[in-house]
Amino acid sequence: AQSVTQLDSHVSVSEGTPVLLRCNYSSSYSPSLFWYVQHPNKGLQLLLKYTSAATLVKGINGFEAEFKKSETSFHLTKPSAHMSDAAEYFCVVSDWTSYGKLTFGQGTILTVHP
Amino acid sequence: GAVVSQHPSWVICKSGTSVKIECRSLDFQATTMFWYRQFPKQSLMLMATSNEGSKATYEQGVEKDKFLINHASLTLSTLTVTSAHPEDSSFYICSAPRGGGTAYQPQHFGDGTRLSIL
Repeated sequence: AQSVTQLDSHVSVSEGTPVLLRCNYSSSYSPSLFWYVQHPNKGLQLLLKYTSAATLVKGINGFEAEFKKSETSFHLTKPSAHMSDAAEYFCVVSDWTSYGKLTFGQGTILTVHP
Repeated sequence: GAVVSQHPSWVICKSGTSVKIECRSLDFQATTMFWYRQFPKQSLMLMATSNEGSKATYEQGVEKDKFLINHASLTLSTLTVTSAHPEDSSFYICSAPRGGGTAYQPQHFGDGTRLSIL
């Protein structure tokens, strides 16, 4: 069984300040972890993925995430927020027993103020 | 560019109508595709796994006679909402993993279909 908890339903930052979106996971096996972004009325775009290689994963648009097994966390960060980062972000887990099925977190809405 | 195309993007129809949604992988073959449903301000919930050449696998609580899935080719899966009612109104999204349905391949998502039943 696997599950994902996104610790914040809403995060609000000012443009140019750092972004931190928190995610904790649970998995009986070595997990694959993903962060996806969804803009209004759109599908999901992959930001980055962790699949048991380097624990610090760099993604698109300046985002990165660090896999911490001891803390069962996979937090998403960005050094400097941009207005275009405003969207909803989903932390997602999968493992080899799920045959491609994804388990989604509840989502975090990121608001960026000028 | 998009690697998974979903059509239509928006449907408004009367109660009792059946609606077909298409999901196509554009530059790869997908033996497996997934259908999700998303209610406003909520996360994605997996409805079913679409398997090319065989029956779809439905998640618990999803009516298979209500949500018909056909995966007739390696690049196309369709979801038909039969005799749709207002409670079926939602945002439906498909996804397809490049390289088969493994845990390690990221999924590519369609842009979703907004279904509104009057």
